[in-house]
Amino acid sequence: EPEVTQTPSHQVTQMGQEVILRCVPISNHLYFYWYRQILGQKVEFLVSFYNNEISEKSEIFDDQFSVERPDGSNFTLKIRSTKLEDSAMYFCASSEIRGVNEKLFFGSGTQLSVL
Amino acid sequence: DAKTTQPPSMDCAEGRAANLPCNHSTISGNEYVYWYRQIHSQGPQYIIHGLKNNETNEMASLIITEDRKSSTLILPHATLRDTAVYYCIVRAYNDYKLSFGAGTTVTVRA
Repeated sequence: EPEVTQTPSHQVTQMGQEVILRCVPISNHLYFYWYRQILGQKVEFLVSFYNNEISEKSEIFDDQFSVERPDGSNFTLKIRSTKLEDSAMYFCASSEIRGVNEKLFFGSGTQLSVL
Repeated sequence: DAKTTQPPSMDCAEGRAANLPCNHSTISGNEYVYWYRQIHSQGPQYIIHGLKNNETNEMASLIITEDRKSSTLILPHATLRDTAVYYCIVRAYNDYKLSFGAGTTVTVRA
């Protein structure tokens, strides 16, 4: 069964450093998302992306965050200058269609630890 | 803003049906009910969704009350691998995001 792949599974970085989290969505999917989950808290929406544009973003997704689809297969989340509070599990998701019958497929996540 | 209310936890015996309730009394006409689950901090997994009719797939059944103010997810024969946090989510068809609540932690016991 096709799956969303995320790398790395764990990322440790120093506060103030830039990180790039990588995702390979399912190949025929057109809609891409990032969510995050701080330890012990709810899964939170960050951003949705379609046709090389951000469709919607949450208040969390401030100027420190950016997303890119640099080629036909990868989808990345960049955090420009990490903060301690950015420590979380970051999930990439993709879907084939939008609307009523949309089913999001999530990756296994990247655990980001900011020291 | 919580649009759904779920019990924080429930236990279920292996092999028995698990019935997970969800209250969504403020649901709007254009909003659907989606269920996802998250197994031990993995990425959430889609289970099923519906508008007003009962739905069934290979994973589960979804029963939505006639007034649409509540629903029940049914796992017909729970296994140990069904132990997870189950999220009931209300979402409009044109909404880009899923708003996860705290969900119900379901523990299936042998």
